[in-house]
Amino acid sequence: QVQLVQSGAEVKKPGSSVKVSCKASGASFSTAAISWVRQAPGQGLEWLGRFIPIFNTPDNAQKFQDRVTITADEGTSTAYMELSGLRSDDSALYFCATGYYDGTGYYYDYFESWGQGTLVTVSS
Amino acid sequence: EIVLTQSPGTVSLSPGERATLSCRASQSVSYRYLAWYQQKPGQAPRLLIYDASSRASGIPDRFRGSGSGTDFTLTITGLEPEDFAVYFCQQYGSSPRTFGQGTKVEIK
Repeated sequence: QVQLVQSGAEVKKPGSSVKVSCKASGASFSTAAISWVRQAPGQGLEWLGRFIPIFNTPDNAQKFQDRVTITADEGTSTAYMELSGLRSDDSALYFCATGYYDGTGYYYDYFESWGQGTLVTVSS
Repeated sequence: EIVLTQSPGTVSLSPGERATLSCRASQSVSYRYLAWYQQKPGQAPRLLIYDASSRASGIPDRFRGSGSGTDFTLTITGLEPEDFAVYFCQQYGSSPRTFGQGTKVEIK
């Protein structure tokens, strides 16, 4: 099972950007499917998008298409999520999580491994 | 986008009782690609069930998932003290992946 460790809490001004990292260990990073999920205080879960390093192609939720950039550095087994144009309603706990790869090219986005979460606060 | 609606919002039960949680989709979930998670305060979600009815590694058999199409159920038989938490369903059959709003199982 993959272990995921995320970067620390961030406080940002409205209109700025935030970049959160997620370092993976314990499994092949290049074939991992890393998704980003956020949770506003006391609210439910919202999927932002995913990235598979071996394909080098992001798959983002349309809601965030213009504002989220998901990338990965295979050399350091680290994934990144950058969110731009921050607003107060972007204040949330941001998680990275890995989907399941069956070894034959198929991916299934149910999430067995999760990072510890990174709190992003947007405030003037 | 598939909207998942969970019910009830909150259920109050005693240890040892059975919990029945519902997740209804706005359109059919392909291949029964539906998962259930448990979340406790200050923690990341924990995968319980995937493919609608397969238990994840290490999940006790008192957790059972069922359903297909647009109607899915998570049943917890014989609630243990550690089962009182919030439960989310999630579909991964189409993009964007979406989650239900959650059901809180609280101690009566």
